[in-house]
Amino acid sequence: DVVMTQSPLSLPVTLGQPASISCRSSQSLVFSDGNTYLNWFHQRPGQAPRRLIYKVSNRDSGVPDRFSGSGSGTVFTLQISRVEAEDVGVYYCTQGTHWPITFGQGTRLEIK
Amino acid sequence: EVQLLESGGALVQPGGSLRLSCAASGLIFTKHAMSWVRQAPGEGLEWVSGIGYSGSTTYYADSVKGRFTISRDSSSNTLYLQMTSLRADDTAVYYCAKDPGGGAFDIWGQGTVVTVSS
Repeated sequence: DVVMTQSPLSLPVTLGQPASISCRSSQSLVFSDGNTYLNWFHQRPGQAPRRLIYKVSNRDSGVPDRFSGSGSGTVFTLQISRVEAEDVGVYYCTQGTHWPITFGQGTRLEIK
Repeated sequence: EVQLLESGGALVQPGGSLRLSCAASGLIFTKHAMSWVRQAPGEGLEWVSGIGYSGSTTYYADSVKGRFTISRDSSSNTLYLQMTSLRADDTAVYYCAKDPGGGAFDIWGQGTVVTVSS
């Protein structure tokens, strides 16, 4: 199985400051069709996950533009340009290039 | 508005069985692949099983293969997960999710709780 490794696992951030989460895969996530199936999800306490970004850098409708995704091959990053209070929770990367679909361990973002 | 509503979660003894349901509304159910994803208490997310839009293709995580069966009913727009030989480590919140492909689950239900304990 493809192992997804996120860092850091805990991310204390001051309001208004930037934040960055890294996600590394144990194999290249480039699929035979040329797409890279790397996605990011956010889960607030007590809620279901919500997709933020799909295929590396495509932001979902309604997701603030302070969120951005980048990367290629095996190294990916989720960046938040200015953290707001509503951004707290756990962020997961997931890959769908290889079966089975696998998730990273999650990164818990908290406000300092 | 697209909605997914899970039900069927319960407290069950080890070795027991349970069937989860996920009622879909606001979408053409037969056009979309679906998956089940679970989250053990205090843990991360784990993909469990997926099914193609027609129901003819199914996929399972190794941890549930041979014990869980995913299915769908287009007449009632419902996704199912039949779980047998349940173990303590199957204890989790089970989410159903619409699966546009590539693990990019774009719609999630609110989850249903399964507890396996004697």
